[in-house]
Amino acid sequence: AQSVAQPEDQVNVAEGNPLTVKCTYSVSGNPYLFWYVQYPNRGLQFLLKYITGDNLVKGSYGFEAEFNKSQTSFHLKKPSALVSDSALYFCAVRDMNTGKLIFGQGTTLQVKP
Amino acid sequence: GAGVSQTPSNKVTEKGKYVELRCDPISGHTALYWYRQSLGQGPEFLIYFQGTGAADDSGLPNDRFFAVRPEGSVSTLKIQRTERGDSAVYLCASSDPGQAQFFGPGTRLTVL
Repeated sequence: AQSVAQPEDQVNVAEGNPLTVKCTYSVSGNPYLFWYVQYPNRGLQFLLKYITGDNLVKGSYGFEAEFNKSQTSFHLKKPSALVSDSALYFCAVRDMNTGKLIFGQGTTLQVKP
Repeated sequence: GAGVSQTPSNKVTEKGKYVELRCDPISGHTALYWYRQSLGQGPEFLIYFQGTGAADDSGLPNDRFFAVRPEGSVSTLKIQRTERGDSAVYLCASSDPGQAQFFGPGTRLTVL
C-alpha cells in the first residue's frame, strides 16, 4: 500500500533562516509526489510536484523540494523563511491507477519574526 | 471559473438529516475528487469521477454517502441520515488527467 509520513507535527523557524519540512514515502513503482499548503479556513494550495526528471523541483512562493530515491524522501525547503509562510503543509503521493492523493498527517510551520 | 468553488461554505445540521454539498470544478477539468478532512488530519479520499462516471468510490465510508456528476462538470456529495461522526471539512478537487489537483475552499459540515 502507498503511504506518506511527515515525522514532525510542528517545525519552528526564525524569519530569514532556511526551513525544511520532512516527508518520506512508500510506494511500489515510481512515485508522483506533491506538496500542498493550507492556510487557516482555506483550501489546499498546490506548491509543487515531482513526476520525473531533476531531483530538485522548484515551486510557488520560493519553495523547492528534493526528491531522494535512496532515502525515499521528498523534503520541502526554502532558503529564507517568511512569517507569512506560517501554515499547515501536506505531502502527498498519487495513486497510479486512479490519481487519488494519499496525504501525510501534515506539519505546522511556525515562522517567528 | 477561475478556481474550484464549493457551496455552502458552512453547513450545520441535526443528526439524522440529509445534506447535499456542491462542487464546481475548474472549467474543462475532466477529473473530480472528493476528500474529507477531520481536525488535525490530512485529507482522506472519498470518491473520484472521470467525466460523468465514478471511477473509484472505494473511500466512501458507508452507503449513507453518495455522489453524482451527471453532466461531467458540477458534482454533488449527498449524505443521508447524518451522524455526529460525519462532521468534517469536505474538500473537492479537480484536474486534467495526470496533472496536479486544484482544491476548493471546502465545506465545513457540523452535525449536532
